[in-house]
Amino acid sequence: DARVTQTPRHKVTEMGQEVTMRCQPILGHNTVFWYRQTMMQGLELLAYFRNRAPLDDSGMPKDRFSAEMPDATLATLKIQPSEPRDSAVYFCASGLGGNRDEQFFGPGTRLTVL
Amino acid sequence: AQSVTQPDIHITVSEGASLELRCNYSYGATPYLFWYVQSPGQGLQLLLKYFSGDTLVQGIKGFEAEFKRSQSSFNLRKPSVHWSDAAEYFCAVGVQEYGNKLVFGAGTILRVKS
Repeated sequence: DARVTQTPRHKVTEMGQEVTMRCQPILGHNTVFWYRQTMMQGLELLAYFRNRAPLDDSGMPKDRFSAEMPDATLATLKIQPSEPRDSAVYFCASGLGGNRDEQFFGPGTRLTVL
Repeated sequence: AQSVTQPDIHITVSEGASLELRCNYSYGATPYLFWYVQSPGQGLQLLLKYFSGDTLVQGIKGFEAEFKRSQSSFNLRKPSVHWSDAAEYFCAVGVQEYGNKLVFGAGTILRVKS
């Protein structure tokens, strides 16, 4: 049963600390998305990659957030330094990259910054 | 700019009753439309999608949706709701210029009373 995996599922950290979230897309998927979900803003697209290259990261605060795909099986989202307003659930999704292709979502990482 | 409006933040229905969740979109070209469901603590799961052809599409779990171009709507329906349908439902439009980048609505929380 192919699925997107994310680690950690929960993370509690203190303000100023570095946070790294990881995502393993479904094997064979060439497009990876990072979303943030909060009560106030709903689901926001932070960044997405196709064939490991960033296509759009306009939704991501550049000063503290960075997203990478070191290889086809791993995507990372890093926050440095973290702030309380970064508290949210971060979802990774993967897909085949076509206009008609659905995105498959991971279970999310719930981040709490104290 | 592309946008999706889900006018109902919460909806409560009795088990066994019919359901309709509203979705309106704003998009210049022919839209690719999706409905996702999110159970508490979980990622999003695709219910159904529309690209072209028959304007009434069937999805999983007994859901269907009807595309109405004249009303820019893509409402989700189910004839008889089960308690397990309690979740949050998201409508999304695919932005074709960027592959399958999705713009999500704010979501509708469905409560089912017995």
